[in-house]
Amino acid sequence: DIVMTQTPLSLPATPGEPASMSCRSSQSLLDWNDGTTYVDWYVQKPGQSPQLLIYTRSYRASGVPDRFSGSGSGTEFTLEISRVEAEDVGIYYCMQRKEFPCTFGQGTKLEIK
Amino acid sequence: QGQLVQSGAEVKKPGASVKVSCNASGYAFSSFAMHWVRQAPGQRPEWMGWINTGIGNTKYSQKFQGRVTLTSDTSANTAYMELSSLRSEDTAIYFCAREGGSGWYANWGQGTLVTVSS
Repeated sequence: DIVMTQTPLSLPATPGEPASMSCRSSQSLLDWNDGTTYVDWYVQKPGQSPQLLIYTRSYRASGVPDRFSGSGSGTEFTLEISRVEAEDVGIYYCMQRKEFPCTFGQGTKLEIK
Repeated sequence: QGQLVQSGAEVKKPGASVKVSCNASGYAFSSFAMHWVRQAPGQRPEWMGWINTGIGNTKYSQKFQGRVTLTSDTSANTAYMELSSLRSEDTAIYFCAREGGSGWYANWGQGTLVTVSS
């Protein structure tokens, strides 16, 4: 199985300031057949189900503010928040779907300072 | 956008089976695959399997092969996940998640807590 590793596990953030988190996969998530990189980002807010933020490496899901952006290639990926807001508190997961079984990182918990 | 509503919490004894339902609305049910993901307390989500809700073919995680069965009822716009031979380690919240255009999870159900305890 592809192992997804996220850092940091805990991310204290200041409202109005940028924040960044990383995700590393044990194998490349690039499919050479179609040029697609199969990594998505989800956020799980306290007491809620996960919700989609970024799909296919860098595409924002419908309704997601443009403060959120995804980047990276191969095995290294980044989720950036340009200006953190209090509502961004939650656990952020990366997930690969290049191969079954789909696998998730252990999560980065964003907290407000 | 769509909405997924799951059945309520369950308490089961070791060795029993549980069947969780996921009722879909607001989109063409049989046009999008459904995935099932579980999350044990304090753990990362764990993918269990996938069903093509239109034709019924499935793909299961090797970890759950032989214990999990995914089905769908297009007349009721409902997907089901049945897990057998339950053990305490199966205590978790079970989610259904609708696939978006090319595989990401566009919608999630609210989750169903399954507790396995003697």
